[in-house]
Amino acid sequence: DSGVTQTPKHLITATGQRVTLRCSPRSGDLSVYWYQQSLDQGLQFLIQYYNGEERAKGNILERFSAQQFPDLHSELNLSSLELGDSALYFCASSVGTITEAFFGQGTRLTVV
Amino acid sequence: EDQVTQSPEALRLQEGESSSLNCSYTVSGLRGLFWYRQDPGKGPEFLFTLYSAGEEKEKERLKATLTKKESFLHITAPKPEDSATYLCAVHTPLSGGYNKLIFGAGTRLAVHP
Repeated sequence: DSGVTQTPKHLITATGQRVTLRCSPRSGDLSVYWYQQSLDQGLQFLIQYYNGEERAKGNILERFSAQQFPDLHSELNLSSLELGDSALYFCASSVGTITEAFFGQGTRLTVV
Repeated sequence: EDQVTQSPEALRLQEGESSSLNCSYTVSGLRGLFWYRQDPGKGPEFLFTLYSAGEEKEKERLKATLTKKESFLHITAPKPEDSATYLCAVHTPLSGGYNKLIFGAGTRLAVHP
């Protein structure tokens, strides 16, 4: 158990809908990262927050947004969902911005 | 563009047959290299952190090393339970003093009895 909690574990939704994925980082960690892992692709970096502020952005679609709250938990919002958004979404957390990151077990999103 | 390349893509070993996985990186300024293990459908599990060329870390049958251009994950006398995808990641600097953590595509390791 890495100490990073993601909910829900599984999510099935229809095209065009909007969903919110939630991540609780390890106690004491200030950085939160979000990644997307599709069946035939590796881990694609989406976005990183540090202590509530956005710090780095990857290839995150405009339909996707995220935020980190004062209690350090983070949410990833995915809207106008398409079939191609079906993937595993991982959250990771770390103490600082160059230290090792610990991953949650992911949310498996299926868009039908 | 910053890039992390892992080789081979897939590796099949017999139990007890030692081998090495490679991670080469081209980044503008390395700020840490990390190895992870990922089982199917699960989140990556942290293994090692390396910060400086010449650094080595060891854990059970795994040993990670770092040079200025690449890292190796050596697996000694592997067992079937070592079967997994091994991922390499690096922190790369962005403007404003921030960093981005990017991953290679991984090496799928299968160890057969």
